[in-house]
Amino acid sequence: ILNVEQSPQSLHVQEGDSTNFTCSFPSSNFYALHWYRWETAKSPEALFVMTLNGDEKKKGRISATLNTKEGYSYLYIKGSQPEDSATYLCAPLNSNYQLIWGAGTKLIIKP
Amino acid sequence: DVKVTQSSRYLVKRTGEKVFLECVQDMDHENMFWYRQDPGLGLRLIYFSYDVKMKEKGDIPEGYSVSREKKERFSLILESASTNQTSMYLCASSFDRGGDTQYFGPGTRLTVL
Repeated sequence: ILNVEQSPQSLHVQEGDSTNFTCSFPSSNFYALHWYRWETAKSPEALFVMTLNGDEKKKGRISATLNTKEGYSYLYIKGSQPEDSATYLCAPLNSNYQLIWGAGTKLIIKP
Repeated sequence: DVKVTQSSRYLVKRTGEKVFLECVQDMDHENMFWYRQDPGLGLRLIYFSYDVKMKEKGDIPEGYSVSREKKERFSLILESASTNQTSMYLCASSFDRGGDTQYFGPGTRLTVL
């Protein structure tokens, strides 16, 4: 079972500021990494699937990078808006093709 | 758009009751999953299914069973609910087996008294 850690657990950010948080995972036997966003009272939604070392993906103001050699991924949000408030989950894929979920980073944007 | 629906958003049951949580997806996905989410922990896989009538145990199957009689429907059953099964239950589906994007339902918050 992979050990997945996300930090920080929670984060308060002023509207308009940029922010980032981390997903750490064992670097051996890497297959893929998923990022999801889970807004309160809604379903978790996929943001990115990343597979290659050095991968960088972008979706609007949100981007993510991947370092498979050292076992981490960063999620960046540029110019935070209230609608970015959510819990962000990362999940590496294990050798049984199952996602192993981190506990998430809860992001709160202060107007 | 993929739609995954769950039968209830909130459910309150008593200890010892049999509980059924239903999940339906409308995108003809082969794979369906049941997770539970508890504060401070990541989603934990209870059971999953790669085909009709097929089921496999996840990381925490004890106290649960599942049923997949039709491709679009995956049911989670708590044979005799206990207070430690109070949790948020999430259903998901995906097209491919190999780590494809999962599409989630809105969750069922179950309280067992």
